[in-house]
Amino acid sequence: EAQVTQNPRYLITVTGKKLTVTCSQNMNHEYMSWYRQDPGLGLRQIYYSMNVEVTDKGDVPEGYKVSRKEKRNFPLILESPSPNQTSLYFCASTRLAAYNEQFFGPGTRLTVL
Amino acid sequence: AQTVTQSQPEMSVQEAETVTLSCTYDTSENNYYLFWYKQPPSRQMILVIRQEAYKQQNATENRFSVNFQKAAKSFSLKISDSQLGDTAMYFCAFMKLYNFNKFYFGSGTKLNVKP
Repeated sequence: EAQVTQNPRYLITVTGKKLTVTCSQNMNHEYMSWYRQDPGLGLRQIYYSMNVEVTDKGDVPEGYKVSRKEKRNFPLILESPSPNQTSLYFCASTRLAAYNEQFFGPGTRLTVL
Repeated sequence: AQTVTQSQPEMSVQEAETVTLSCTYDTSENNYYLFWYKQPPSRQMILVIRQEAYKQQNATENRFSVNFQKAAKSFSLKISDSQLGDTAMYFCAFMKLYNFNKFYFGSGTKLNVKP
């Protein structure tokens, strides 16, 4: 089954404790993105990647890092999480065909205390 | 930068009736894609319908259709014969042609379908 997976689905942590949210897709998509969703703000792009070892900042990159060492994986790293990073996070990959549809992962609910 | 505006934070509709969700966007681009995504309580983002800006014909997917007005930069979603399963948050999104990583989302409209 074609899908984007994220882990963990839920995470509660404390300020300053490094964490990684994993993202993996099995569709051989070149493009992958991370978004955060906050009430009243919709989805905002954090980082994106066009291929292995090619990443760039989105609209809200502060406090986040990413890496793309393999085509299928695109982890999101919070080296020193803060309460303002409490949010719902989505990973997505893009199919380069007609309509350029994005496929989303199931989301990760992160709470930083 | 592109902006997408959804001016209706929340809407309600009776089951079997028709409802229209509004979306406007601001861009200087001539070629782009527009999308409506549905997010049910499960939080999964599901593509509902998409429209290419160079196509004048409005897209339709079963009970879902759009009214695309390019000059007015408007992209509304019409849901006919509303069902309880349509209860969800709906997001409008914009993407420039060939800029595959840059999707701009609106703030969302929460739709409640009442029995």
